[in-house]
Amino acid sequence: GIQVEQSPPDLILQEGANSTLRCNFSDSVNNLQWFHQNPWGQLINLFYIPSGTKQNGRLSATTVATERYSLLYISSSQTTDSGVYFCAVEETSYDKVIFGPGTSLSVIP
Amino acid sequence: GAGVSQSPSNKVTEKGKDVELRCDPISGHTALYWYRQSLGQGLEFLIYFQGNSAPDKSGLPSDRFSAERTGGSVSTLTIQRTQQEDSAVYLCASSFGRPPLHFGNGTRLTVT
Repeated sequence: GIQVEQSPPDLILQEGANSTLRCNFSDSVNNLQWFHQNPWGQLINLFYIPSGTKQNGRLSATTVATERYSLLYISSSQTTDSGVYFCAVEETSYDKVIFGPGTSLSVIP
Repeated sequence: GAGVSQSPSNKVTEKGKDVELRCDPISGHTALYWYRQSLGQGLEFLIYFQGNSAPDKSGLPSDRFSAERTGGSVSTLTIQRTQQEDSAVYLCASSFGRPPLHFGNGTRLTVT
C-alpha cells in the first residue's frame, strides 16, 4: 500500500514565526487533504488539495502531485495553531484514505 | 444533525467484554470511515463504507473486530472479547464520497 511520510515530526515555534510542514507519498494519489487535530483531539479539515496551491488566511498549501509531495505553510503562527497536523491521501486503486504520522506543533508565546 | 455524531463519548469496559461503538454520519453522506488512534499516535485506518457495503476491510486488526452500516446511514463498530491493546480513541468520518472528510469527536475506549 501507499506510504505517507511527514516532516518534521515535532516543531516548536515562537509566536509570530512562520513554518513549512511537508508530506511525501510513495505513489500516485487521487487527492490529498490536510487536517489539524487540536489539543482536545478534534480533527478539522484545513485543505482539500489534490494539486496546485490554495490559501486560507494565514495558512496555505501546495501539492505537486507529479513529484509526490505537499507543503503546508503557516505564517505568523499563533498559540491556537498548536496541535498535530496530518496529511491524508486517497489511493488511486482504492477509496480508502490513509493518514501520515503527523507533525506535532507547539507555538509558545 | 449538523455534524458527525459518535456515541458513547467514553467507554470503560472489562477485558473480555464486547463493546459496540456507534457513528451517525452527516445526513446524505455516502462514504463513512472508521479509524483508531492510540495515545500520541497517528490515525490507523480500520474500514471504509460506500453506502452499506465495505469495499475494504483490510484494516480491521483481527476477527474480533467487525463493522456494519445500515440504511446508508448509521454505522456500528463491534469489538468482541476486548483486550487491553484495544484501548484507543475510535474516530468516525463521513463524506459525500469525495473529500473533504468530516470527523466526529470520537469514542475513547478504555479496557481494564
